[in-house]
Amino acid sequence: DAGVTQSPTHLIKTRGQQVTLRCSPISGHKSVSWYQQVLGQGPQFIFQYYEKEERGRGNFPDRFSARQFPNYSSELNVNALLLGDSALYLCASSLATDTQYFGPGTRLTVL
Amino acid sequence: GENVEQHPSTLSVQEGDSAVIKCTYSDSASNYFPWYKQELGKRPQLIIDIRSNVGEKKDQRIAVTLNKTAKHFSLHITETQPEDSAVYFCAASKTGNQFYFGTGTSLTVIP
Repeated sequence: DAGVTQSPTHLIKTRGQQVTLRCSPISGHKSVSWYQQVLGQGPQFIFQYYEKEERGRGNFPDRFSARQFPNYSSELNVNALLLGDSALYLCASSLATDTQYFGPGTRLTVL
Repeated sequence: GENVEQHPSTLSVQEGDSAVIKCTYSDSASNYFPWYKQELGKRPQLIIDIRSNVGEKKDQRIAVTLNKTAKHFSLHITETQPEDSAVYFCAASKTGNQFYFGTGTSLTVIP
């Protein structure tokens, strides 16, 4: 039984570029959340989607956007990348509203 | 919003000793408290969780206690082993809403 998967594993971009990160939840899970984890800190909430609708948004600028598809997979988009966007981006899925299981993350480096 | 504080930030114990990590939260409406273990370069793994209608939960060498009145919860690891070495994160949430994570505790178990 596959867990949460994310792609790509690593990504290097330059300032001002745009990036799209992808997440596939555990089969049967309808909720996907995105987190940013800067080295040495805990994950910071970015977005939560449930049944393709946005359920929550963290304190991130409008350069960050996301969506959830009919198959419950999700994409996180970040525009106009800044050096400070360098981080591990984690996706977590849950059946509905609580216990979340994390994917392996996408390591984004902005140069 | 919710604020989760976690202590200590680093913890070293001898193999076989116990380790205790403490977290406090600010929002009395929070009702779900998971703990995650994150090894270097890997995804956070759920190790135990507790809901607000329960005061204590145990799973083999791991236990979590919750004091709703004081708004704090703790992770207890007994008979520590070198493979317990990792960063541990606590989190708090209200059902159906975002998770707020602590800043992490780096646990080192000395053989």
